[in-house]
Amino acid sequence: DAGITQSPRHKVTETGTPVTLRCHQTENHRYMYWYRQDPGHGLRLIHYSYGVKDTDKGEVSDGYSVSRSKTEDFLLTLESATSSQTSVYFCAITEGARQPQHFGDGTRLSIL
Amino acid sequence: SQELEQSPQSLIVQEGKNLTINCTSSKTLYGLYWYKQKYGEGLIFLMMLQKGGEEKSHEKITAKLDEKKQQSSLHITASQPSHAGIYLCGAGAGGTSYGKLTFGQGTILTVHP
Repeated sequence: DAGITQSPRHKVTETGTPVTLRCHQTENHRYMYWYRQDPGHGLRLIHYSYGVKDTDKGEVSDGYSVSRSKTEDFLLTLESATSSQTSVYFCAITEGARQPQHFGDGTRLSIL
Repeated sequence: SQELEQSPQSLIVQEGKNLTINCTSSKTLYGLYWYKQKYGEGLIFLMMLQKGGEEKSHEKITAKLDEKKQQSSLHITASQPSHAGIYLCGAGAGGTSYGKLTFGQGTILTVHP
């Protein structure tokens, strides 16, 4: 299995609070991605990174920010969580843009 | 933007039966990826197809990409309960897309013993 660890695995929080999800990889891969998975919408890309400090927006980036200060860590932050951000969040990594992405086990986030 | 449509949305089969899942794109596919997901878990990579007419097999699963590179199929021969799960197709945008993928909605497969 690709060395990807997401933390926390589960989180319940209240509307308006800040939340940070962490993706840690041990593969030294250049590319990292954050997706959210929701019933009826499938997997949708939130943000991605193509190198340290190089990040860009995906399809559903509103309300989210990311940071990548070192190769192994990609952080996803919800500055002020809303109930619409209740979802399962997946991190993925790949060594090349045309190579398969490998996914973490996900973080189940509930915002009450 | 690219859209991927999977059919059927769900499938229930008896163990031992063959089945096919389709993934159709609104645009030319530049890299088509098949994944399997078990409930509550992450996605497991199955196969990648890049060339028109390409076909790959792994154990009892075969994936094909048509010549026009707008449709892919995933075929399971002699299904087993271990094949149950959600199958998703994902596709890249081509060019300098940094590997961004669009996914289909997924096909839920149930295999009855």
